[in-house]
Amino acid sequence: DAKTTQPNSMESNEEEPVHLPCNHSTISGTDYIHWYRQLPSQGPEYVIHGLTSNVNNRMASLAIAEDRKSSTLILHRATLRDAAVYYCILRANNNNDMRFGAGTRLTVKP
Amino acid sequence: NAGVMQNPRHLVRRRGQEARLRCSPVKGHSHVYWYRQLPEEGLKFMVYLQKENIIDESGMPKERFSAEFPKEGPSILRIQQVVRGDSAAYFCASSPERNTEAFFGQGTRLTVV
Repeated sequence: DAKTTQPNSMESNEEEPVHLPCNHSTISGTDYIHWYRQLPSQGPEYVIHGLTSNVNNRMASLAIAEDRKSSTLILHRATLRDAAVYYCILRANNNNDMRFGAGTRLTVKP
Repeated sequence: NAGVMQNPRHLVRRRGQEARLRCSPVKGHSHVYWYRQLPEEGLKFMVYLQKENIIDESGMPKERFSAEFPKEGPSILRIQQVVRGDSAAYFCASSPERNTEAFFGQGTRLTVV
């Protein structure tokens, strides 16, 4: 998988939007952008994924840059339960594994 | 965490014993991934299996570690002759196809004493 770069940590206030950035300058044309998060003492959970177009689901939105070299996970209204480590991962169609980086630790302040 | 079951949740082993970690994927999922996570660290890929086949084991130590995903039954991660450094949380994930959403279990926390 191509490498991704994320800030080590971010802080947000409750009820405010959060924008979590991810750089993936070496992304290839067949790489999908996946986001997972891991709450304390739990297994990771899927958040969202996309290829080229922006994506929305119940949990979040994914904004993908036109050149696909970066993306942003958007939590529209952060809650205390959103405090977690967020991982941005690239997965190619012909690649079998799913390798995680260090992720971004999001702290949500009341 | 829709349906991936890992057991046991906690496992204590003495140095030199064997640890067997089980993972039952979501029904119908044929792709299984195993990860190791040390305290305060990220998830390290270990092995990727597809029914009865090991597809990629590049993240798994060459010695003492093995994994299988038989036609019937759960996937098993086996660690022989455990050492203190094997103490970690081990997570399993499953997916129906390679590049789709993966579902993770709650993990097995192995402690070697």
